[in-house]
Formats: sequence, structure tokens, C-alpha cells
Amino acid sequence: DIQMTQSPSTLSASVGDRVTITCRASQSISTWLAWYQQKPGKAPNLLIYKASTLESGVPSRFSGSGSGTEFTLTISSLQPDDFATYYCQQYNSYSRTFGQGTKVEIK
Amino acid sequence: QVQLVESGGGVVQPGRSLRLSCAASGFTFTDYGIHWVRQAPGKGLEWVAFISYDGSHKYYADSVRGRFTISRDNSKKMLYLQMNSLRAGDTAVYYCAGLVAANSFDYWGQGTLVTVSS
Repeated sequence: DIQMTQSPSTLSASVGDRVTITCRASQSISTWLAWYQQKPGKAPNLLIYKASTLESGVPSRFSGSGSGTEFTLTISSLQPDDFATYYCQQYNSYSRTFGQGTKVEIK
Repeated sequence: QVQLVESGGGVVQPGRSLRLSCAASGFTFTDYGIHWVRQAPGKGLEWVAFISYDGSHKYYADSVRGRFTISRDNSKKMLYLQMNSLRAGDTAVYYCAGLVAANSFDYWGQGTLVTVSS
């Protein structure tokens, strides 16, 4: 099974900061990677798929990059609505795997 | 609009069984494989199972293989998760979801809470 290692687990930042979250796959997954945002009590919301394609309606301050085993999610200027937990997910196979999550907190 | 609505959660004793259901609407159900994903209280997301568009292929997480069975009824636009031999570690919110694949179809239900406790 493909393992996904996400870091950091928690991130403290201020409004306006540039934030980067990293996700590493245990084997190459090409660009079959998605990023989700989840707020308490809600289902996850897709932000980015195929490593770097922005989902319709998602603000352009979110961006994704990477291929193979190393991926990043960047928020160019953190906004109050962005304080949430973020997950990566590989979909190189039918058996999906999520990263452990990164909670973005207010500094 | 696309809707996935889970039901069937509740409190169940260890070792017992429970069946979750997911009602789909707003899209062509037979075009998509569907997943179950769970989230234990205060924890991260865990993929549980997948069923192909026609039910011919099924995949399970190691943690549930042999205990859980995913199925679907395309005539009723319904997805199911039969959960047997439940353990305390199965306590979670269970989501049915059409996760992104070669297309960007990605929709989640609101989730149903399963609590395994004596």
C-alpha cells in the first residue's frame, strides 16, 4: 500500500502569511494527488487535484506543485477563512490513502 | 445538485453488526465508483472501501477487510456498507464519497456517526 507522510502536523501562522504544507508518497504516484480543506464538523472540500489543478471556485491563493513522491500545497496569503485542517490524498490506485493532516492555527 | 446522504449510524456493541446506507441523487449514479471514508473523533481521514460503477470491483482497507462489505444497488441509486464484528476502533463518522479520479468529480455526504461501545 502507498503511504502518505504529511508535514507539519500543526502550523501556526498569521493572516497574510505564506504557508507551505508538504506531502510525501512512499512510491511514485505521478501527479495523482489531491488536496482537501476540512473545517470542524464538515466534510472535506476539494481544493486541488492532479497535483496542481485548482478546483473550480477555489481562490487562486491556493496552489499545488510536485510530482512523483514530493508534493506541496501553498497558500500565498493566508486569510481568516483558511484556518482549517488540510489533507493530501493519493489516487494512484483504487485503494486511496490520506496524509495525517495539517492543522493551520492562528498565531 | 449532487447529493449523497448517509444513514444507518448509531450506537452498537462490540462484536455486533450495522449496515450503513448512502442515497445518491443529482448525477448519473452508474457512471461513478463510490468510496466510504471514515474519521474517528478528533483524528484524520481514513479510506475504508471502494466499489466500481457496476459493482464488479471492490477494494478494502486492511483494517476492515474480511469484516466490512461494500455493495450498491444501481436501480435504487444506493450504496451500502455492511459492517460485521465491530470494534471500538471502528468508532467514527462514516462518509460516502465520489472521490476525484481521472475526472474532478468529488462529492461527499454529510457523514453518519457510528459508535461502538458496550
